Amino acid sequence: AQSVTQLGSHVSVSEGALVLLRCNYSSSVPPYLFWYVQYPNQGLQLLLKYTTGATLVKGINGFEAEFKKSETSFHLTKPSAHMSDAAEYFCAVSAANTGNQFYFGTGTSLTVIP
Amino acid sequence: KAGVTQTPRYLIKTRGQQVTLSCSPISGHRSVSWYQQTPGQGLQFLFEYFSETQRNKGNFPGRFSGRQFSNSRSEMNVSTLELGDSALYLCASSAGVSVLGTETQYFGPGTRLLVL
Repeated sequence: AQSVTQLGSHVSVSEGALVLLRCNYSSSVPPYLFWYVQYPNQGLQLLLKYTTGATLVKGINGFEAEFKKSETSFHLTKPSAHMSDAAEYFCAVSAANTGNQFYFGTGTSLTVIP
Repeated sequence: KAGVTQTPRYLIKTRGQQVTLSCSPISGHRSVSWYQQTPGQGLQFLFEYFSETQRNKGNFPGRFSGRQFSNSRSEMNVSTLELGDSALYLCASSAGVSVLGTETQYFGPGTRLLVL
């Protein structure tokens, strides 16, 4: 089975500072990894995903994540935080043996301080 | 393309009642998945439907059921509501071509259910 751990349920950064949201996964088979963002009273929006190929994945709004198999990690980063980045971020994992079922982490709430 | 739509957006029910939620996927998508989101348990997979058939199921009691129509629209039903069923119910659609877990799932805005 797959699982995801997101370290830090709340993260605060200053506007313009580096954003780093942590995600570690557990999977018995090669994982597929996703980052989603959720704004208040809205559904989830895909930021980026890793399936195969290049381990550094670039997404929307300047976010990127690197798949590190040896560390079972898929941390999300953004060089410079913007006020509009304040939201809830979810890491998710899927795999070939569980089909289209996504396993989500518990989420990280990002606050951006002006 | 229009995104995933869910109706209604908000619902208030009382314990013991039943409720039906509706989801219209992105045009051309044939897979619809449902998730329950609560502060305590986070996002949990309920089930996935593809071509009117349940293709995958999470670990929820039988009170939670669903169906999919020939136009790929899906409904989710919860019978005998309990207080703990209060949650945001999210629907997600994908093309459904692959069952390998690589397809992006596109989420609707959710239906917020409050059980009193």
